Amino acid sequence: SQQGEEDPQALSIQEGENATMNCSYKTSINNLQWYRQNSGRGLVHLILIRSNEREKHSGRLRVTLDTSKKSSSLLITASRAADTASYFCATSRSGGGADGLTFGKGTHLIIQP
Amino acid sequence: DTAVSQTPKYLVTQMGNDKSIKCEQNLGHDTMYWYKQDSKKFLKIMFSYNNKELIINETVPNRFSPKSPDKAHLNLHINSLELGDSAVYFCASSRLSGRMTSYEQYFGPGTRLTVT
Repeated sequence: SQQGEEDPQALSIQEGENATMNCSYKTSINNLQWYRQNSGRGLVHLILIRSNEREKHSGRLRVTLDTSKKSSSLLITASRAADTASYFCATSRSGGGADGLTFGKGTHLIIQP
Repeated sequence: DTAVSQTPKYLVTQMGNDKSIKCEQNLGHDTMYWYKQDSKKFLKIMFSYNNKELIINETVPNRFSPKSPDKAHLNLHINSLELGDSAVYFCASSRLSGRMTSYEQYFGPGTRLTVT
């Protein structure tokens, strides 16, 4: 069953502005990851945050995780045209062993030049 | 020096045919996966293999069968293709580290399957 729900489904902003995407999930998790998918391409891992972490930074990316609300947010600061892509949150189920990721529906981000 | 590669990139075939998609990773990862992305861009895990052992087998039709000749390869074979199988199929790999940790996954470029 689908685990993550991204919000908004689509987001269009001007270059230089910040973009915030939210993700909610339903069950307990080991970690939550964010991926980017450019049109017609595979997914690229952006950042991973573990269930015992609350915030993580990587370059222009900032991810927060609130396990009590089962939600996460991805903030992209100072957006660039090259950030135009679909962004997915994905959760890894607890329980050990090899996990497949459970993906949300994604947010399509458009950066207007 | 592509990390995760898939062939073919595009596959157009008729209903009822049998086809295979190949996947190879050169990252030294010990776990590989197959995902299906439908027309609405929803991604769903199909299979994962760890040390030649099937770990996850989601509720996919048994017409789909993963085959792993070695740790670097996980091929997807599909029998009796149906219209609903049309989608983009992604291979991925990761490094398994302990029972409670899943590391980031590296995805291939995808194979767009069209069944007519």
